[in-house]
Amino acid sequence: DTEVTQTPKHLVMGMTNKKSLKCEQHMGHRAMYWYKQKAKKPPELMFVYSYEKLSINESVPSRFSPECPNSSLLNLHLHALQPEDSALYLCASSQGFLAGDNWDEQYFGPGTRLTVT
Amino acid sequence: KNQVEQSPQSLIILEGKNCTLQCNYTVSPFSNLRWYKQDTGRGPVSLTIMTFSENTKSNGRYTATLDADTKQSSLHITASQLSDSASYICVVRGGGFKTIFGAGTRLFVKA
Repeated sequence: DTEVTQTPKHLVMGMTNKKSLKCEQHMGHRAMYWYKQKAKKPPELMFVYSYEKLSINESVPSRFSPECPNSSLLNLHLHALQPEDSALYLCASSQGFLAGDNWDEQYFGPGTRLTVT
Repeated sequence: KNQVEQSPQSLIILEGKNCTLQCNYTVSPFSNLRWYKQDTGRGPVSLTIMTFSENTKSNGRYTATLDADTKQSSLHITASQLSDSASYICVVRGGGFKTIFGAGTRLFVKA
């Protein structure tokens, strides 16, 4: 199984709502990532978890809160978002976080299309 | 400053034709360079990985080249198909945890 799954596929939420995005992989990967992608732009890294510990937070606003309950799951909790947060949110995983050969090859999920109204 | 620049921004070609996409980078130190294909509304999929010692690597109709001296890479697509229409993203891994994404080239293959 070389698949990263993300739910939901689409999400529409108001600025006062609280929602969560979910990501799952069963490849035994120990690094997991959240990216934000606006239309016609490359993905922007938000968070990296390595061995279930938060390793990188790219100065993301606190209205985005990541959580890694176990090595297969990654959540992104959303609260009090702004319309400019509307984007495609991508989850990815890799065997590890060290550079070299395929160790850091990232497998991406299909994304969650988020619209904030 | 660590940067990855891709050209052209977009490209339209006829089905069956070949094309070459370019990637120039200034990332240092350099660990590896990957080309990803991203279909609209989907996550990127890795096509090739190039390390410092590799010059050419093929994956089916996709051939990537790397010139580590000039810090340039190219992705050549042979006998294009309609399904090749996508964004192609060059991603360079630097030292430590640094990963730099290029802005991508949007390829449109027309019948």
